[in-house]
Amino acid sequence: QKEVEQDPGPLSVPEGAIVSLNCTYSNSAFQYFMWYRQYSRKGPELLMYTYSSGNKEDGRFTAQVDKSSKYISLFIRDSQPSDSATYLCAMSGDTGGFKTIFGAGTRLFVKA
Amino acid sequence: DTGVSQDPRHKITKRGQNVTFRCDPISEHNRLYWYRQTLGQGPEFLTYFQNEAQLEKSRLLSDRFSAERPKGSFSTLEIQRTEQGDSAMYLCASSYGTHGADTQYFGPGTRLTVL
Repeated sequence: QKEVEQDPGPLSVPEGAIVSLNCTYSNSAFQYFMWYRQYSRKGPELLMYTYSSGNKEDGRFTAQVDKSSKYISLFIRDSQPSDSATYLCAMSGDTGGFKTIFGAGTRLFVKA
Repeated sequence: DTGVSQDPRHKITKRGQNVTFRCDPISEHNRLYWYRQTLGQGPEFLTYFQNEAQLEKSRLLSDRFSAERPKGSFSTLEIQRTEQGDSAMYLCASSYGTHGADTQYFGPGTRLTVL
């Protein structure tokens, strides 16, 4: 079993839809939870991070962490074609260091 | 340009050869990470440095892989006796901060093809 599980998709939605992306994990010691976006042939870029459980909002993006269920989510409101990319969840902090474990990524297509 | 740079961008080699990749992080970033990414997968952690110290190395990394960061600036990743399974994108990232969620800035990657 992988430490971080993420549905690879692809997920296809119409423009303006609310998108829900999710990851589950097995290591309860993770403390930091991140979402990265990766466009084709580019390196990932950080979208948001959350420390421990709770919600965090940034513009059209909302990240949620439920440590009791070992489940994290990213919501994208009013999705745009420019949001089409691969979304990677990532986690760190289990060893007290900075090793970061990524999910497989979910490919998202937003149709105009 | 103040981003993370990697060299070369592409490398084709024959099985059994050694290859070395270079990463130049953003100036003054104290942490530097190496990842490997294959098609349809997320980046797989290989190792990271804090300044010049290599603090953690993946258990998945065989003895054929070695990384250095002399003087805490640029870093090199060497793969000895390459195998076809080593074909992947090798990503470098750097960050500056004190907690586990400091923003990692990724380079464009080096794509390795082992024939």
